Amino acid sequence: EVQLLESGGGLIQPGGSLRLSCAASGFTFSSYAMHWVRQAPGKGLEWVSGIISHGGSTYYADSVKGRFTISRDNSKSTLYLQMNSLRAEDTALYYCAKGRGGPARASDYWGQGTLVTVSS
Amino acid sequence: QSALTQPASVSGSPGQSITISCTGTSSDIGNYNYVSWYRQHPGKAPQLMIYEVSNRPSGVSDRFSGSKSGNTASLTISGLQAEDESDYYCSSYTSSTAHVFGTGTKVTVL
Repeated sequence: EVQLLESGGGLIQPGGSLRLSCAASGFTFSSYAMHWVRQAPGKGLEWVSGIISHGGSTYYADSVKGRFTISRDNSKSTLYLQMNSLRAEDTALYYCAKGRGGPARASDYWGQGTLVTVSS
Repeated sequence: QSALTQPASVSGSPGQSITISCTGTSSDIGNYNYVSWYRQHPGKAPQLMIYEVSNRPSGVSDRFSGSKSGNTASLTISGLQAEDESDYYCSSYTSSTAHVFGTGTKVTVL
């Protein structure tokens, strides 16, 4: 059974940093692209970032480019999102999602999310 | 990259068919067959319903179908049931940032 378990969320002041983790199990983690998708309270889904299977290429939404860094450790089956210079508008539930293969393909499994609140 | 455009709400009676549109540009929907649809019940994680325009994952009812014409993709739900009441999002691969979601559509079963 595929499982994705996010962690690392919390309350952080504007300008601060946070690192999210996503522990994956139930599939060959190193064979699939992975993504982070967020959802602000009461709002729609926003794709944040993606990374290909071996980590050689990464992709970012314009809203986080230059502030967030996605990475993965295939030996630990874990996905990360380093978030710097956090802003109030980054407040959201952050989902980890497994791609169906390459970076262009849909996400077929999702975690339950970890909540990030940016506030003073 | 702007979000894909979806109607805010669509409604139908049980047994009817409804269609949700998703309009993008030639940089996303119009140029790639990587359009997907997700259903999200309140307080739950999204669930993949359609991938690559018209393919259903294992376990998804054949009442759900997808299509694309030009820069617009569509999700049709036939034989509408109470359990279909939910939020639906389209998504597409895009040449600019990799992925973009739609604005979301709330489906109400009357």
